[in-house]
Amino acid sequence: QVQLVESGGGVVQPERSLRLSCAASGFSFSNYAMYWVRQAPGKGLEWVAVISYDGSNKYYADSVKGRFTISRDNSKNTLYLQMNGLRAEDTAVYYCATEASWGQGTLVTVSS
Amino acid sequence: DVVMTQSPLSLPVTLGQPASISCKSSQSLVYSDGNTYLNWFQQRPGQSPRRLIYKVSNRDSGVPDRFSGSGSGTDFTLKISRVEAEDVGVYYCMQGTHWPMYTFGQGTKLEIK
Repeated sequence: QVQLVESGGGVVQPERSLRLSCAASGFSFSNYAMYWVRQAPGKGLEWVAVISYDGSNKYYADSVKGRFTISRDNSKNTLYLQMNGLRAEDTAVYYCATEASWGQGTLVTVSS
Repeated sequence: DVVMTQSPLSLPVTLGQPASISCKSSQSLVYSDGNTYLNWFQQRPGQSPRRLIYKVSNRDSGVPDRFSGSGSGTDFTLKISRVEAEDVGVYYCMQGTHWPMYTFGQGTKLEIK
């Protein structure tokens, strides 16, 4: 079955960087667009970024544009999210997702 | 950007009774291919979101048939025919028509009365 396992979350100071990873299995990873979605504590869901199946197209929410970079390595069945210039408002659980399946999420806390 | 507005935001329901959640979009969700990319997600307490319904009315595998989706254009509804204890959680609608700018509704918290 589809498995998406995020890692790389943690506590980081404002303006620092963090890189999230998502290991995918149970489906043909290289055939599917992939997404990052986040959820601030006690809040709703916010789409962050999407990458096409081959990595040629990438799109970002306005709130992260210019600071976050989505990428993928189809040889490793892994999705990434490079987060630079982190702000307190980026504090959230970050989920890796396909159209139909979501990982368990990884918590990113931005705090001094 | 497309704005998705859900109502109610809080939904207390008696076990065994029906429940209904409305989702309205600020623009039509009919895509150029004729499909309407409106999904419903369930997030149980402490869990990741799970997709229940895709393209308005198609249930995902393993989703009980007490869940149904309907609607068209800008108005959509998720119905639960008889609420069970395991249905407690937050429900979100999400539009995928105006790709890549996906947007979610605010969420509706279903609780047992």
